[in-house]
Amino acid sequence: NAGVTQTPKFRVLKTGQSMTLLCAQDMNHEYMYWYRQDPGMGLRLIHYSVGEGTTAKGEVPDGYNVSRLKKQNFLLGLESAAPSQTSVYFCASNLLPGALSNQPQHFGDGTRLSIL
Amino acid sequence: GQQLNQSPQSMFIQEGEDVSMNCTSSSIFNTWLWYKQEPGEGPVLLIALYKAGELTSNGRLTAQFGITRKDSFLNISASIPSDVGIYFCAGQSRGSNYKLTFGKGTLLTVNP
Repeated sequence: NAGVTQTPKFRVLKTGQSMTLLCAQDMNHEYMYWYRQDPGMGLRLIHYSVGEGTTAKGEVPDGYNVSRLKKQNFLLGLESAAPSQTSVYFCASNLLPGALSNQPQHFGDGTRLSIL
Repeated sequence: GQQLNQSPQSMFIQEGEDVSMNCTSSSIFNTWLWYKQEPGEGPVLLIALYKAGELTSNGRLTAQFGITRKDSFLNISASIPSDVGIYFCAGQSRGSNYKLTFGKGTLLTVNP
């Protein structure tokens, strides 16, 4: 999964703590996405961004905030972590989905987050 | 919202067998994608389909974009142990701002 880097790879939090997950891509991609993956649920979109300075809600946005201050970075924040947010979080990016030069989403290797 | 039904949920096969899995949707998609995920890693794209009726191969993998635009299948021929993993279909439509909708995955186990 060269090109999309997620940090950290693992984290354990206590309920109520806050933290920020970082996604960085070096492919000059416009679109970036945050997903969560839970057993038997596939990948569900949390938030996404169609360009620097923009963000939008996905399928399961509650309890999360995001920021895209720089084109190459997309941050996912948990303001007050809850056990229900225990999951594996994936970041993805792609160039311009509607363009002829479109490349499908590239994924990072994930961040495994446990909330106690 | 859009939903994808992916089947089967899991498969246990012997090395050398062929595998077939599919996804169906209640909505039309403009793009169908198939990803594979191995333990501890993110999904990796296998095949992308952009036109209804399109049949595309990638080595031992073949995928088709259904004519109705509401379904797609993935076939793996002559399976090998390294084919083990979770396979996801994903649909993308222009009307959804190009967001992907994922199936819940097919867990493939190959016995040597």
